[in-house]
Order: sequence, then C-alpha cells, then structure tokens
Amino acid sequence: DTGVSQDPRHKITKRGQNVTFRCDPISEHNRLYWYRQTLGQGPEFLTYFQNEAQLEKSRLLSDRFSAERPKGSFSTLEIQRTEQGDSAMYLCASSLGDSRHLYGYTFGSGTRLTVV
Amino acid sequence: AQKITQTQPGMFVQEKEAVTLDCTYDTSDPSYGLFWYKQPSSGEMIFLIYQGSYDQQNATEGRYSLNFQKARKSANLVISASQLGDSAMYFCAITPAGNMLTFGGGTRLMVKP
Repeated sequence: DTGVSQDPRHKITKRGQNVTFRCDPISEHNRLYWYRQTLGQGPEFLTYFQNEAQLEKSRLLSDRFSAERPKGSFSTLEIQRTEQGDSAMYLCASSLGDSRHLYGYTFGSGTRLTVV
Repeated sequence: AQKITQTQPGMFVQEKEAVTLDCTYDTSDPSYGLFWYKQPSSGEMIFLIYQGSYDQQNATEGRYSLNFQKARKSANLVISASQLGDSAMYFCAITPAGNMLTFGGGTRLMVKP
C-alpha cells in the first residue's frame, strides 16, 4: 500500500482521557502534516514536520496537543485531558519537501475522534 | 496569510451536465499553488487537480479542469459530464511554496439522476 495510513479510524473516549493517533506517510515523502476538521468545515492546519523536525505549529495546537516524528517516518499526535471541543476528524498528509512536487500532497483517511 | 472563499455552500447538478464550483483566494505570496480536493462521506480527502501560480495554461485532469484567472484571484473547478459518484464535498485550498494548505469552507455537490 503506497498511500498515507492513519490509525485508528475511529476513537471514542471519555472527557479527560488521553488519546494518541498514528500516521504512516508515503515512504519517500519527507514532509508530514496534521490537520483538524470539524463538522461542516474545511480542514485546519495544526503542525508539520520535515523529516524529524517540527517546523511549524498553529495557534490551534494548545498545550494539550503534542506531535512527534521521532525517526522521520511515522508520526503520532497525542491529545491530553481531552475535551468535548476536541471532537473532530484528524487528518494526516504527506508530501515531498519541494515546491515543485506539490502534486505529492496526499491525505490519509483520517481518525474521527468523539469525546463523550 | 492566505484565505480561500467558497461562496456556494451547496450545489445541485443534473447527471451528465457540467458544473462550476467557485473559489476565490487572497494571498500576498507571489508564488503559490491552488488545489481542489473531493471529500466523500467516508472522510478521505481525494486530490483532484493542481494549478501553480506561474503556470501559463489552465490545469486539466480528465473530467476536471481549473478555470484560473490570476488577475481576479479566482480558481474555479469545472466538472464535465457529472456522475452520481461526484456527489461529495469539494474543497479549494492554497499553499505557498509547498507548506501547509489553507482550505475554504467547501461546497457540497449533489448530482441528481
């Protein structure tokens, strides 16, 4: 499979619990992005990595959110002390780190989080 | 900062007819890329078409074409010969130099048989 994989597809958690999502990008892509999409809205950028370096974080990424990409391959997004407002689809994407290769910007199927 | 505006929350089109989905953008970057994605109810974002700001010709990909008018800052998506499977949300997005995408609010397209 050469696409972007996300796990799990769905997660239901109780308010206050911690959750972690995983993203496996396309193997030759060195950039990895996280987005959040609430119902009826377009995706909003959270953060991105080039290899293992986290280069940019949105103001949407509160202190309860942390993302890692330890070896420049897969990435994890952790949300601590979840709140009902965290309920959303979390999308991962990957691309080549070259403005001429924007065609490679590929999304995964997302992880749908529901906080009850 | 970049901004994308999609003014059509919902659109109906008859099967086999063409439809245009509107997208206007605002950016101060001289070099940027414009994308259109399709999002069916399953949730995945499916890449449709890309237009670079310096591309001389409008992009085309099968039944999809992009009507790029740089002076008007518009990048409308044209879908020819609509099919029932085209029913989905459609998002326009912009990026400077291969960084994060800024998305519009989307247009829900419904194809009538």
